[in-house]
Amino acid sequence: NAGVTQTPKFQVLKTGQSMTLQCAQDMNHNSMYWYRQDPGMGLRLIYYSASEGTTDKGEVPNGYNVSRLNKREFSLRLESAAPSQTSVYFCASTPTRQGYYEQYFGPGTRLTVT
Amino acid sequence: RKEVEQDPGPFNVPEGATVAFNCTYSNSASQSFFWYRQDCRKEPKLLMSVYSSGNEDGRFTAQLNRASQYISLLIRDSKLSDSATYLCVVRTPGTYKYIFGTGTRLKVLA
Repeated sequence: NAGVTQTPKFQVLKTGQSMTLQCAQDMNHNSMYWYRQDPGMGLRLIYYSASEGTTDKGEVPNGYNVSRLNKREFSLRLESAAPSQTSVYFCASTPTRQGYYEQYFGPGTRLTVT
Repeated sequence: RKEVEQDPGPFNVPEGATVAFNCTYSNSASQSFFWYRQDCRKEPKLLMSVYSSGNEDGRFTAQLNRASQYISLLIRDSKLSDSATYLCVVRTPGTYKYIFGTGTRLKVLA
């Protein structure tokens, strides 16, 4: 039982390049999330998927797209990377059943855009 | 006013001390509350859910005060290994979204 996994762990991009961050969970959770964490800002929600087949914007969605490929996988795509997207990206999942709302996080992807 | 506010610290305490953090939230309809621990450059890890009646897990006690809209975390007999950033998290009622505080940094000194 690996929990939430993310790939890659580290990435350096040049401005304008694109890339996809991958996230998978093996806990049969319904909801999945993408956050970014910047110094002094706390975690900010980029996009989330309440259940398979649905996605919604969070607090900072501009410059990102997501795909909920199936119940297990939720990917985040940067179409044209910008230096402002340099950050640590965390994926999380939640059972989202009555009484079970705790979030479980992946190890993060550290992205630098030059 | 921020939706979830925490004192950033750092709180520097000696080993064995008792330390408490508070976290205030602005939405009085909030229902689900959590404390997470985050070590430097690592992912947040669930420490405790916070229940209306309060709950305890070993040296850690969490309380909810709905009237004043804050949650608290008490750590007794602090260990060096407790040094970390503690994040307060509140689930937005009626949604699947969570609001994170910016965290309170704790350093336990030998």
